[in-house]
Amino acid sequence: KAGVTQTPRYLIKTRGQQVTLSCSPISGHRSVSWYQQTPGQGLQFLFEYFSETQRNKGNFPGRFSGRQFSNSRSEMNVSTLELGDSALYLCASSPQGARTDTQYFGPGTRLTVL
Amino acid sequence: AQSVTQPDIHITVSEGASLELRCNYSYGATPYLFWYVQSPGQGLQLLLKYFSGDTLVQGIKGFEAEFKRSQSSFNLRKPSVHWSDAAEYFCAVGPNRDDKIIFGKGTRLHILP
Repeated sequence: KAGVTQTPRYLIKTRGQQVTLSCSPISGHRSVSWYQQTPGQGLQFLFEYFSETQRNKGNFPGRFSGRQFSNSRSEMNVSTLELGDSALYLCASSPQGARTDTQYFGPGTRLTVL
Repeated sequence: AQSVTQPDIHITVSEGASLELRCNYSYGATPYLFWYVQSPGQGLQLLLKYFSGDTLVQGIKGFEAEFKRSQSSFNLRKPSVHWSDAAEYFCAVGPNRDDKIIFGKGTRLHILP
């Protein structure tokens, strides 16, 4: 089975722009979670989608949003980028949900905001 | 509130030496416990997990972890490390009252030749 794929792998944006990141889960996995990883804060949960519905959400401002499509692929969007949004964004998929399942992580998208 | 602590930010061991990475948690009941590893430029990979049953859990790549309820710990061990084990290791616990898995800040493992 192919693993979790994320595109693009690297992005450079400027403050005020918006960005969309994409995640394709492992085939058959219905849950997709997004995390922000930074050296200072570590791994922080953004949100989880399951069968096209947001199941859970972390403590991030409304500039961060996501969605999931019927084929379980997911996108996250960050509007009005700030310097502090520079981070590695990781996507993880699991068969039934992040709360107890093993999560399979993609390689991440490295976002740099200038 | 539920939390997970990895007290060591960096650990350096010699190749062939034994390894123990510490993980302590604060949780009201018996949690689900995970150890993940992240190699440079990669996502996280599950090493092992504990849900219930035998408190000594075997994982991939020769790793094991022991759940000690009395100490609220879930330390990761390996009897003999290899240079390829150099990576960052994350302990995770959950689900918390918000139904989320919480990750520790990570321990970066360095291997001396």
